[in-house]
Amino acid sequence: AQSVSQHNHHVILSEAASLELGCNYSYGGTVNLFWYVQYPGQHLQLLLKYFSGDPLVKGIKGFEAEFIKSKFSFNLRKPSVQWSDTAEYFCAVTPGRGKLIFGQGTELSVKP
Amino acid sequence: GAGVSQSPSNKVTEKGKDVELRCDPISGHTALYWYRQSLGQGLEFLIYFQGNSAPDKSGLPSDRFSAERTGGSVSTLTIQRTQQEDSAVYLCASSAQTGNTEAFFGQGTRLTVV
Repeated sequence: AQSVSQHNHHVILSEAASLELGCNYSYGGTVNLFWYVQYPGQHLQLLLKYFSGDPLVKGIKGFEAEFIKSKFSFNLRKPSVQWSDTAEYFCAVTPGRGKLIFGQGTELSVKP
Repeated sequence: GAGVSQSPSNKVTEKGKDVELRCDPISGHTALYWYRQSLGQGLEFLIYFQGNSAPDKSGLPSDRFSAERTGGSVSTLTIQRTQQEDSAVYLCASSAQTGNTEAFFGQGTRLTVV
């Protein structure tokens, strides 16, 4: 079955620390990849996306992600986190033109 | 509309009662998704629509759950004979099409079964 795995359930960092959140998916064909973010009390919103082309994609608020096809991975990174990055982060995959499948989410807490 | 709208925002119901949750997608969006968000469970896929048809209903937890979409627009998720384990936030999202387009989410309906 198609699935998305996020390795970290809860990450706690201090401000200015670097961030990397892991995401792996299980689907061998063409995929579209997304990272969504849910700030406290707000609805889910798109952080960045990959459809094709340059495997290193940049999103809002200084986030970036790298698609590594051979590893079925789409890890999210940010060089220096801020307190305002405290949120829950979800990796999502659409295999071809099918349904949008989410990982379990990673809660990020940034200490000021 | 300006965004995806869900109603009600909160619903408290007694065990055994039926509930209907409504989703108004962004105008013109052909794809519509329903998810359930429980603490520690991430976003559990329930069903998605392409137009009025549902190519994938595999995520519906039991036959107590059903959903329909009419006119390629509004969708209703119905839970019959609610159980306490149905308590969760039910999220709706829509996108211009399935695949390589962004999905826009509503604020969700928080369902509490007492």
